[in-house]
Amino acid sequence: KAGVTQTPRYLIKTRGQQVTLSCSPISGHRSVSWYQQTPGQGLQFLFEYFSETQRNKGNFPGRFSGRQFSNSRSEMNVSTLELGDSALYLCASSLAPGSGTEAFFGQGTRLTVV
Amino acid sequence: GESVGLHLPTLSVQEGDNSIINCAYSNSASDYFIWYKQESGKGPQFIIDIRSNMDKRQGQRVTVLLNKTVKHLSLQIAATQPGDSAVYFCAEKESGGYNKLIFGAGTRLAVHP
Repeated sequence: KAGVTQTPRYLIKTRGQQVTLSCSPISGHRSVSWYQQTPGQGLQFLFEYFSETQRNKGNFPGRFSGRQFSNSRSEMNVSTLELGDSALYLCASSLAPGSGTEAFFGQGTRLTVV
Repeated sequence: GESVGLHLPTLSVQEGDNSIINCAYSNSASDYFIWYKQESGKGPQFIIDIRSNMDKRQGQRVTVLLNKTVKHLSLQIAATQPGDSAVYFCAEKESGGYNKLIFGAGTRLAVHP
């Protein structure tokens, strides 16, 4: 069974641009969560999607958005990029929401904003 | 609260020794806990989990202990190997039907031959 696939693996963008990252969850998994990882802040929750609906959102500005498609694939978008958005963006896949549901991570997309 | 990981603590052990990595979690409403291992350039890898109705769970070479009284979680790795060198994160999930994980700051495990 294939794992969580994130594309692209690496991105370099200029301040002010926007970016879209993609995540394909494990087959059969319907819940997708996104996290930002930086050396200063560690791993921080961005948002979670299930059945094409955003179920939960972390403390990030509105420039960060996402969506989920009917096949459970998810995208996240960051508009008006800032230098501080440089980070590893991780996607986690779970069967469904709820406690006791293991979350499996992809390799991440390394975004560098210059 | 959210984790802040400015300076990762490091645990250095000799190959073959047992390792114990500790984590203090923040939310008494959390009812599910996971340990992840992250190697350089990779995403976090699931190691073991435990629910709040348990205080111990064992896997292959790993044991997780949960002390809800003091909100403390630990990961024990038996016979540590060089391949265990990585950053280890604990994560907690609040009960309520969502998958939001709150991560600890992480501990770097360095295994020396």
